[in-house]
Amino acid sequence: QVTLKESGPVLVKPTETLTLTCTVSGFSLSNARMGVSWIRQPPGKALEWLAHIFSNDEKSYSTSLKSRLTISKDTSKSQVVLTMTNMDPVDTATYYCARINDGYDSSGYYNWFDPWGQGTLVTVSS
Amino acid sequence: QSVLTQPPSVSGAPGQRVTISCTGSSSNIGAGYDVHWYQQLPGTAPQLLIYGDSNRPSGVPDRFSGSKSGTSASLAITGLQAEDEADYYCQSYDSSLSASVFGGGTKLTVL
Repeated sequence: QVTLKESGPVLVKPTETLTLTCTVSGFSLSNARMGVSWIRQPPGKALEWLAHIFSNDEKSYSTSLKSRLTISKDTSKSQVVLTMTNMDPVDTATYYCARINDGYDSSGYYNWFDPWGQGTLVTVSS
Repeated sequence: QSVLTQPPSVSGAPGQRVTISCTGSSSNIGAGYDVHWYQQLPGTAPQLLIYGDSNRPSGVPDRFSGSKSGTSASLAITGLQAEDEADYYCQSYDSSLSASVFGGGTKLTVL
């Protein structure tokens, strides 16, 4: 059974750096074309994709947040880590990690997210 | 402002059929990229409902179906049940952004 679980601080202060960890089980981050994404959801608002990393260390970031994000993995610990610098109250959200399922078909590149972790709510406040 | 546009809310009585639209542009749905749908029950994480425009993962009832045409996609739910009350999100890939993009979400209310 594939599961993902997020962990990290519940509360961070403005300007601080947020570090979140996603611990996966049921699959290995070293398996070919295995990837994990981070997605966030402000309270009462929509989902926003943040970043992803694949087993070959291929990384991609949201254009609007690229300067603040770093994604990495520790295959031996089955963990994917996301750091976000210069946190602001607008970054208050539930942060999810999810496994990426991707590939190419007749329409081109595709990716979807399944399964998701339970999410972790991060509040940015002084 | 989400890249993919969904109606904020839809509603229907038990047993009825409802549809939720997801409108994109020539750099995402219109370019042919697959559309996927997620169901988010209150207080829980999103769950994959439809992938690859119209495919249901194992365990998803056939009351849920997806379709795509041009720059839009739709999720249809037939035989509406109280347990279907949730938020629904569409997702695709955008070549201009080189990123996965989501719709703004649609809240389904079962009357």
